[in-house]
Amino acid sequence: DTGVSQDPRHKITKRGQNVTFRCDPISEHNRLYWYRQTLGQGPEFLTYFQNEAQLEKSRLLSDRFSAERPKGSFSTLEIQRTEQGDSAMYLCASSYSGAAGRGYNEQFFGPGTRLTVL
Amino acid sequence: GIQVEQSPPDLILQEGANSTLRCNFSDSVNNLQWFHQNPWGQLINLFYIPSGTKQNGRLSATTVATERYSLLYISSSQTTDSGVYFCAALLYGNNRLAFGKGNQVVVIP
Repeated sequence: DTGVSQDPRHKITKRGQNVTFRCDPISEHNRLYWYRQTLGQGPEFLTYFQNEAQLEKSRLLSDRFSAERPKGSFSTLEIQRTEQGDSAMYLCASSYSGAAGRGYNEQFFGPGTRLTVL
Repeated sequence: GIQVEQSPPDLILQEGANSTLRCNFSDSVNNLQWFHQNPWGQLINLFYIPSGTKQNGRLSATTVATERYSLLYISSSQTTDSGVYFCAALLYGNNRLAFGKGNQVVVIP
C-alpha cells in the first residue's frame, strides 16, 4: 500500500495561466475526492468520483475548474485562467465503498499540491 | 450542510501533559474521522470513529453519536504531537467530509 500520491507538490504560476494537478489513489479504492484548503481553515470539498463517474460537485467548483478520472484510476484537476484567489493547498483523497462495516468509506489523503498564483 | 466545531482552537502544552480536544457536529453522522496535519500539510489518519472508543498508543478517541460530539485524548504529550488536529464528519447518504477549523496544538519541551 503506497498511499495516495499527488503531483506536483508545489506549483507557482502567473495569473491567467492554466494548471493541471494529478492524483493517484490507493489502488483498490474506487472513490476519489478533491478538497481545497486555504490558510487557517479546514479542507473544503470540491468534487468526488466513484470509479470514472463524477457524482458530486461543490458550488466552490466554478466553471474554470474541471476534474476527470478517465479510467477510474488516477484523476486530474485542471484550473483554467487562474486567479490569485485560487492559491491554496489542493488535496486528493480516496476511499473504498465496499460492504458497510469497519472503515467503510474511510478517506485517506495525499500530500497535497500547494498552488501559488502570482 | 453539517456544521463541525472544534475546541479549543489553540492549545499550548508542556511536554508530558495530557489534553482533550473536542469536536461537536450538528447532525447524525455515518463517519467521523480525526486527522493530524503535519507541518508539510499532509493529513495523517488518526481514527475512524463514528461511535464508541478506540485507542492507539498515547492517543484515544471517543464518539458519542447520540449527543453529537467526539473527543480526542492526547496523553503524555511529546513535541512531535505538535500540529493541527482536524475532526471531519460525513452525513448519512453523503460523500463529502465536512471539516472543522482544527485545533492548533503546540507542545513545548
